[in-house]
Amino acid sequence: GENVEQHPSTLSVQEGDSAVIKCTYSDSASNYFPWYKQELGKRPQLIIDIRSNVGEKKDQRIAVTLNKTAKHFSLHITETQPEDSAVYFCAASTPLPTGRRALTFGSGTRLQVQP
Amino acid sequence: GAVVSQHPSRVICKSGTSVKIECRSLDFQATTMFWYRQFPKQSLMLMATSNEGSKATYEQGVEKDKFLINHASLTLSTLTVTSAHPEDSSFYICSAPQGEGPPYNEQFFGPGTRLTVL
Repeated sequence: GENVEQHPSTLSVQEGDSAVIKCTYSDSASNYFPWYKQELGKRPQLIIDIRSNVGEKKDQRIAVTLNKTAKHFSLHITETQPEDSAVYFCAASTPLPTGRRALTFGSGTRLQVQP
Repeated sequence: GAVVSQHPSRVICKSGTSVKIECRSLDFQATTMFWYRQFPKQSLMLMATSNEGSKATYEQGVEKDKFLINHASLTLSTLTVTSAHPEDSSFYICSAPQGEGPPYNEQFFGPGTRLTVL
């Protein structure tokens, strides 16, 4: 099955700095890579996603890059703000034996933005 | 975007009792729903796939007789934790994918259910 590894597990940055979180995946059949922000006790919130036919996507301060050959993708947050502090998860959409696709999540990164 | 609801949001029960959690797609039909479990400070782990009109499929290590899944309709899936024990205490989250044909893209998550077994 799919294995998604995520690094670092914790990340502390100063307000205004950039933050980068990296993930690798193992299944070349994975074709969709979302990133989620999760606050304590709440559902994951989709912040950006990328499909396997695209190498980079940007949405204001957030960007994601995908390297299919190397099987890795990264989240970039620029001009970080204290409200960016949360746990971030990467995920890969992989096929199940049934033909459906489910998400395999990385282990998460706790981002702390210091004012 | 599509909306998925879950009920209850929080439940506390005694060891040995059964707990039912409902997951509903409010404005779209979902022949497939997924159930995830998240222990404190850990990631979301897929437990099972709920399939409308057929049996649920379970991930390795998940006991199908303990976690009963019923996809009752195109908008409702239920997860019943039978004979719950303290180690079942966790955050249970359901999701439903957008669209019914491959490839599936965005999944919409319910708000989650916090289960505490005393």
